[in-house]
Amino acid sequence: SQQGEEDPQALSIQEGENATMNCSYKTSINNLQWYRQNSGRGLVHLILIRSNEREKHSGRLRVTLDTSKKSSSLLITASRAADTASYFCATPKPAGNKLTFGGGTRVLVKP
Amino acid sequence: DTGVSQNPRHKITKRGQNVTFRCDPISEHNRLYWYRQTLGQGPEFLTYFQNEAQLEKSRLLSDRFSAERPKGSFSTLEIQRTEQGDSAMYLCASSLERLGRMNTEAFFGQGTRLTVV
Repeated sequence: SQQGEEDPQALSIQEGENATMNCSYKTSINNLQWYRQNSGRGLVHLILIRSNEREKHSGRLRVTLDTSKKSSSLLITASRAADTASYFCATPKPAGNKLTFGGGTRVLVKP
Repeated sequence: DTGVSQNPRHKITKRGQNVTFRCDPISEHNRLYWYRQTLGQGPEFLTYFQNEAQLEKSRLLSDRFSAERPKGSFSTLEIQRTEQGDSAMYLCASSLERLGRMNTEAFFGQGTRLTVV
């Protein structure tokens, strides 16, 4: 099974609302990363949170990490139509830094 | 543009044909990764290079797949005798790994979408 699993699989909200998605993982990690992917395009790195951090902000993004529960959340505040995309959490293996991705959360922001 | 570049963006091929994709990473990045992504799923790791050395290959990388990074710069991924199950988006990523600073962010290209008919 995947190391990272996002929840929910899909989310539909109105512009201006907040979007929250969660990620659970199984093994210990050095950090957890969130990526965005617009339809049919490559992935864009959003934010990296290290295992000794509990919360991190970047613009309208807020990420939390709870290593005791092996979970993370991504909050997008004041969503915009341009935030419509799939969002993936990813955890790197200590050796090689190869990323293990979850199945993603597909977010639709309606204008 | 100094990002990761992948070519071609799209490739349609007949079953049984060979295809080759190219990835140009960010120039100072020493790590280069290949991932495969099927519709509705997250990317899955295929292989990665540290400079020109291929350090790991996933079990997903059958013997029909071969990847090279001959001079530690660009990389190619070749699929021989393509099958319909090879249809996917092939993503390349690069990162700069330094001693003492592990697991930095990866920068992804736009991907090559392969359709095997």
